[in-house]
Amino acid sequence: DTGVSQDPRHKITKRGQNVTFRCDPISEHNRLYWYRQTLGQGPEFLTYFQNEAQLEKSRLLSDRFSAERPKGSFSTLEIQRTEQGDSAMYLCASSFGQGAYTEAFFGQGTRLTVV
Amino acid sequence: QKEVEQDPGPLSVPEGAIVSLNCTYSNSAFQYFMWYRQYSRKGPELLMYTYSSGNKEDGRFTAQVDKSSKYISLFIRDSQPSDSATYLCAMSDGDMRFGAGTRLTVKP
Repeated sequence: DTGVSQDPRHKITKRGQNVTFRCDPISEHNRLYWYRQTLGQGPEFLTYFQNEAQLEKSRLLSDRFSAERPKGSFSTLEIQRTEQGDSAMYLCASSFGQGAYTEAFFGQGTRLTVV
Repeated sequence: QKEVEQDPGPLSVPEGAIVSLNCTYSNSAFQYFMWYRQYSRKGPELLMYTYSSGNKEDGRFTAQVDKSSKYISLFIRDSQPSDSATYLCAMSDGDMRFGAGTRLTVKP
């Protein structure tokens, strides 16, 4: 499978625990995006990497969230001290290009439930 | 005010109907306009994208962009039950911003 891969697909955690998600983009894609989606809403932008550089981070993202993309390949999204409001689908997308738009392909997402 | 506004529906139509989906936006910097389709518990998949104003057709799907009105549309002709999904508009000036999605059901 050469698409965007996300792991795990589902995660249930207790409030206050830390969680980490992984995204493997399509090979050679230089851009990687993280989005959060709750039921009945569209994906909400979290952050965006071009190669290993984090170019933009949503102001909605609290300090409990951090993302990395070491070596410009896979990316991880960590949520510290999870809260029930963090329950959502976390989507990763990747694309290739330098301009204002490049076609982005999404993974299947990681569904997080905080209990 | 959200950057991208989209009526969440739900929208239910009979098979064969023409479907019209719309979004408005506030950021005049957006240059690229996309429509994604999302099935339940799946990631969004790109249907079409358009640069600046104009129309683009791909089979039964037509995308329209009117930058002067900050308004975009997706038309689906001869709708099929397999078109039942949530349709998301998205816009980009570097990263993408999505609408809330319109849930469409096409009844046989």
